[in-house]
Amino acid sequence: RKEVEQDPGPFNVPEGATVAFNCTYSNSASQSFFWYRQDCRKEPKLLMSVYSSGNEDGRFTAQLNRASQYISLLIRDSKLSDSATYLCVVNTGGTGKLIFGQGTTLQVKP
Amino acid sequence: NAGVTQTPKFRVLKTGQSMTLLCAQDMNHEYMYWYRQDPGMGLRLIHYSVGEGTTAKGEVPDGYNVSRLKKQNFLLGLESAAPSQTSVYFCASSYSGTGGIAFFGQGTRLTVV
Repeated sequence: RKEVEQDPGPFNVPEGATVAFNCTYSNSASQSFFWYRQDCRKEPKLLMSVYSSGNEDGRFTAQLNRASQYISLLIRDSKLSDSATYLCVVNTGGTGKLIFGQGTTLQVKP
Repeated sequence: NAGVTQTPKFRVLKTGQSMTLLCAQDMNHEYMYWYRQDPGMGLRLIHYSVGEGTTAKGEVPDGYNVSRLKKQNFLLGLESAAPSQTSVYFCASSYSGTGGIAFFGQGTRLTVV
């Protein structure tokens, strides 16, 4: 079993839709969590960090549930430019390992 | 601003050949990582380093070796390339192992024939 798991999708949604991605992690000692975005096999770039209390950045909301060991990303009012692969990333802290999920592909259609 | 630079960007190898991929960062980051990305597999951690002179195995270390002789450089070696090592390789660096954001190089597309 992978340490970090995501539903690979693809998620095909119309512009303006709200879409949510979930991610689960297996190491309860994990300390920090992120969502990265990757376009067309280019390098991944940080979308947002995920904090225990939940956090929002414009149309994007990230939440962490430590008890159930899952992370979520909510995208409201989807834009065509949101089409990309979204990668869940977990840092196990003490070991320094940074583990990626397999990514969830989002396609926003006109 | 260079950030993280990978060399080379593209390479074709014959089975059995060896090569070294170079990752250089100018941000004084302690942590560095090598990943490979295959279709539908996401990024898988090959090896990583928590500081100069230290390295550790990731999820898929077999067939690869690494060295971190200088803080700014992290080298990934393939001693005897195999077609299964055809992939896109990404290097990343981070200032912290407990929450630091990782910055990535642009990737190296390696084909082993």
